[in-house]
This record gives sequence, C-alpha cells and structure tokens, in this order.
Amino acid sequence: AQKVTQAQTEISVVEKEDVTLDCVYETRDTTYYLFWYKQPPSGELVFLIRRNSFDEQNEISGRYSWNFQKSTSSFNFTITASQVVDSAVYFCALSGTDSNYQLIWGAGTKLIIKP
Amino acid sequence: NAGVTQTPKFRILKIGQSMTLQCTQDMNHNYMYWYRQDPGMGLKLIYYSVGAGITDKGEVPNGYNVSRSTTEDFPLRLELAAPSQTSVYFCASSYSGTSGGAAGEQFFGPGTRLTVL
Repeated sequence: AQKVTQAQTEISVVEKEDVTLDCVYETRDTTYYLFWYKQPPSGELVFLIRRNSFDEQNEISGRYSWNFQKSTSSFNFTITASQVVDSAVYFCALSGTDSNYQLIWGAGTKLIIKP
Repeated sequence: NAGVTQTPKFRILKIGQSMTLQCTQDMNHNYMYWYRQDPGMGLKLIYYSVGAGITDKGEVPNGYNVSRSTTEDFPLRLELAAPSQTSVYFCASSYSGTSGGAAGEQFFGPGTRLTVL
C-alpha cells in the first residue's frame, strides 16, 4: 500500500530563516510520481512541483528547492530566506500504479513565518 | 482559460436536504476528482472520473453520487445531507497524457464550503 508521511504538523520560523519540510513515502511501485502543493490561508490549492521516480535530480525554483532521495524514500522541500507570504499548509502527495494513479496525500505541514 | 470553476462557494444545508455541487473545467482534461477537506486535515478522495461516462469511488464515497456526461462537467450530488458532511469540497482535474494514469498535476477549483446543520 502507498503512504505519505509528513511528520511535522506545524513549523514556526522567523522571516528570512531557511526551513525544510519533510516528506517520507512508501510504495511498492517502481514508477511513481511525487508532488508538493501549497494551501495558503485563502484556501486554494496551488501546485508546486511534480517529480517522477526516475529523476532524482534536485530541483530549484527561486527560493524553493526539493531534495528527492529514493534511498531514504524522501522528497523534502526547502524554502530559503523564508517570507511571510510563504505561510501556508504544504502537502506532499504520491501517485503510482498501486493507487491506480490516484493521489495519496500526506496530512500536511502548517508553516508559520513570523515577521 | 478559467481553469476549474466550482459553484456555489458557500452553502448551508439542513439535515436531510439534498444539493448538487457543480464543477466545470475548460482545459480538456480527461481526469476529474472530488475531494473533501475537513478542518485541519488533508484531502480525502470522494469520487473520480477518467473520462466522460466513467466514474469510480474514492476513499470516502458514502453519501455522495457523481456523473460525468461531458468532458467538462463533473457534478457531485449529496443526498440526505448529514452534519458529518460539513466540509470544504474541492474539485480538481488533470491530464494523464503519455505518463499514463493520473500522473499529471491536478488543478484545483476554489472550493465549496458546505455546512450541514
């Protein structure tokens, strides 16, 4: 069975600090996809990144970076020089043949950036 | 493109009433989904559709029904509303493309906040 664990329920940091959100997944699939979504206080869900299981290269997009490590089944998300606008709930998700490609969602990590 | 649109944005129902949540997408996506999100929780899949005329149950289908007569529309029907159905409902769509299945990123509507009293 597939599972996504976001052990950090809530993280609070001061603006400009770096912060890493952890995501650990379980799957028996060899081909699968990992995602991160952001849900700001306004409530909408915003797609951030998709990664397939064959691409372990780290991804950087501005202040955001993602570290995918198959050896530890992790897909961690780092925000560098955090800003108040980064405050949101962040969800990690997994899809693969084991779930008929439906998204398996983590419980989310609430990130609070204090000014 | 409007993306994924949902109506209504807010609704209050009395126990036992019924209603339909509307969802429309204009991206020609083949996959569509309905999720519910309870306060402080993650998303749970209610129903999904891989194309017009094809629907299937997700994790929490009880108390809901769906239909998919066109590529664009995927309404969610609540019959005999109960307080346990108080939640925010999100509709989403994705395109499977050459990746197969529902591996594409999902695009979400703004959500419908439903309260059952």
